[in-house]
Amino acid sequence: DTEVTQTPKHLVMGMTNKKSLKCEQHMGHRAMYWYKQKAKKPPELMFVYSYEKLSINESVPSRFSPECPNSSLLNLHLHALQPEDSALYLCASSQNTEAFFGQGTRLTVV
Amino acid sequence: GESVGLHLPTLSVQEGDNSIINCAYSNSASDYFIWYKQESGKGPQFIIDIRSNMDKRQGQRVTVLLNKTVKHLSLQIAATQPGDSAVYFCAESPFNTNAGKSTFGDGTTLTVKP
Repeated sequence: DTEVTQTPKHLVMGMTNKKSLKCEQHMGHRAMYWYKQKAKKPPELMFVYSYEKLSINESVPSRFSPECPNSSLLNLHLHALQPEDSALYLCASSQNTEAFFGQGTRLTVV
Repeated sequence: GESVGLHLPTLSVQEGDNSIINCAYSNSASDYFIWYKQESGKGPQFIIDIRSNMDKRQGQRVTVLLNKTVKHLSLQIAATQPGDSAVYFCAESPFNTNAGKSTFGDGTTLTVKP
């Protein structure tokens, strides 16, 4: 199984809502990532988890809160987002030198 | 600062022709490069990689060339097919288990005409 599964595929949320994005992989990868991708732009790294510990936070606002409950799961908790946070949120995992990306969650903040 | 970029935002080729997508990078200490393909509605997909101690690497229908002197790499796709239509990103990554920590270039949209 070389898949990274993200749920939901689409999400519309209001600026006062709290929601969570989920990511799952069963490849035994110990590094997992969150990226944000705006339309027609490259993915931008948000967070890196290594062995279930947060190792990199690329100065992401606190309204985005990552969580790694176990080695297979990665969550991104969202609270009080702004319309400009609307984007495709991608999860990835890696072991050795190949990274696998999920299909992303298309988030719209209204 | 560190950056990875592509020369052309779009490329259109005829089916069966060869495609060449170019990328320039700024950090001479960069050690490892990856080409990703992103189809519409999907996440990036690893295509091929190359380390800085190599200047060429071949895969199935794809070849990556690295010129460290001018800090340039290219992706060559042989006999381009309609299924190759996608956005292609070059990226710089650490050569370790955090290879998913990529700095992506801007992307080239490849369109294959039948």
